Amino acid sequence: KAGVTQTPRYLIKTRGQQVTLSCSPISGHRSVSWYQQTPGQGLQFLFEYFSETQRNKGNFPGRFSGRQFSNSRSEMNVSTLELGDSALYLCASSLGTGGLNQPQHFGDGTRLSIL
Amino acid sequence: AQKVTQAQTEISVVEKEDVTLDCVYETRDTTYYLFWYKQPPSGELVFLIRRNSFDEQNEISGRYSWNFQKSTSSFNFTITASQVVDSAVYFCALSGASYNNAGNMLTFGGGTRLMVKP
Repeated sequence: KAGVTQTPRYLIKTRGQQVTLSCSPISGHRSVSWYQQTPGQGLQFLFEYFSETQRNKGNFPGRFSGRQFSNSRSEMNVSTLELGDSALYLCASSLGTGGLNQPQHFGDGTRLSIL
Repeated sequence: AQKVTQAQTEISVVEKEDVTLDCVYETRDTTYYLFWYKQPPSGELVFLIRRNSFDEQNEISGRYSWNFQKSTSSFNFTITASQVVDSAVYFCALSGASYNNAGNMLTFGGGTRLMVKP
């Protein structure tokens, strides 16, 4: 069974640009969640999508947004990039309706560098 | 608000030593879930265990064991006879429960980097 797939693996952008990251969950998983990992702030929850609806949201500014498609694939968008957005962005999926209360299956992440 | 604290940022042991990773949490929810995840040097987070707030039974899985104590809001993780392959960053995490799973967050501790030397 294929795991969670995130693309691209690496991305370099400059301040002010916007970026879109993609995540394909494990087949059959309907919950997709996103996380930001940095050395200073650690692992922080961004948001969770279930059945194409954002069900839960962390404490990030509106520049961070996402969506989920009918096939459960998800995208995350960050607009007006700042240097502090440099991070490893992780996507996870889980089975069933329990969402964040279920074990999360993580992808390898997208490493975003802002110049 | 939820909070997870892993006071040990880094632990170094010699192979075959036992090691305990501490996790203390704060939540106002009466029903919640606790997790441990492992992040090896390759980077991918791997799920290890989930516990719900009503199940205080300790669990053992091979060389791994978990001690959940509601009275002290702790969910500690012990590796017995550590091996070099156990070297990784370990994260404790907490999620709340709501009837429709909305208004929830998954909160991680800062992680404990475990280095097992041969």
